[in-house]
Amino acid sequence: NAGVMQNPRHLVRRRGQEARLRCSPMKGHSHVYWYRQLPEEGLKFMVYLQKENIIDESGMPKERFSAEFPKEGPSILRIQQVVRGDSAAYFCASSPFRQGLSYEQYFGPGTRLTVT
Amino acid sequence: KQEVTQIPAALSVPEGENLVLNCSFTDSAIYNLQWFRQDPGKGLTSLLLIQSSQREQTSGRLNASLDKSSGRSTLYIAASQPGDSATYLCAVTPNAGGTSYGKLTFGQGTILTVHP
Repeated sequence: NAGVMQNPRHLVRRRGQEARLRCSPMKGHSHVYWYRQLPEEGLKFMVYLQKENIIDESGMPKERFSAEFPKEGPSILRIQQVVRGDSAAYFCASSPFRQGLSYEQYFGPGTRLTVT
Repeated sequence: KQEVTQIPAALSVPEGENLVLNCSFTDSAIYNLQWFRQDPGKGLTSLLLIQSSQREQTSGRLNASLDKSSGRSTLYIAASQPGDSATYLCAVTPNAGGTSYGKLTFGQGTILTVHP
């Protein structure tokens, strides 16, 4: 059973370009979460998605950032017109959906975005 | 707003020592608490998950306790080894009407170094 997969592992973008980060959840998991870890800062929640639904995007910056989790395929975190402050490690986590049970989250290896 | 604090920020111990890492949270209305390990440049590995109704969980040399009413958790590591060197993160999920909302709030972590 493969774990949470993220690609690319490292991504370099120039200022103004777009960054697309992909996350494939563990088999059987229908919930996906994105977190960001800025240099010298802790992990911060960005967005929580189920298939075809955004449940909570309270941690997403208001502009340039969007996320989706389509019916088929991986979840995508998209950052338009990147700036140097977007340089960070972006982690995806997934969890199963089972009524009455804990929602332990399993993390992927992360995508390290560098904006030059 | 939930805030999670971890003490100490860094800890250096000789191999073989037993040690305790502390985590506190401001809002006791949590669904569960997870302890993670993060190696430099890597993703997060889940170590232990404690449901809000539980007092402790054990896995090998690790034991985590939870006192929800006082907003505290401790991670006890027995007979520490150099391979235990990593950053240890504590995170909580909010209780939303009896179910987990899934969104993790992380502490800043404790950087542990175990030297031979």
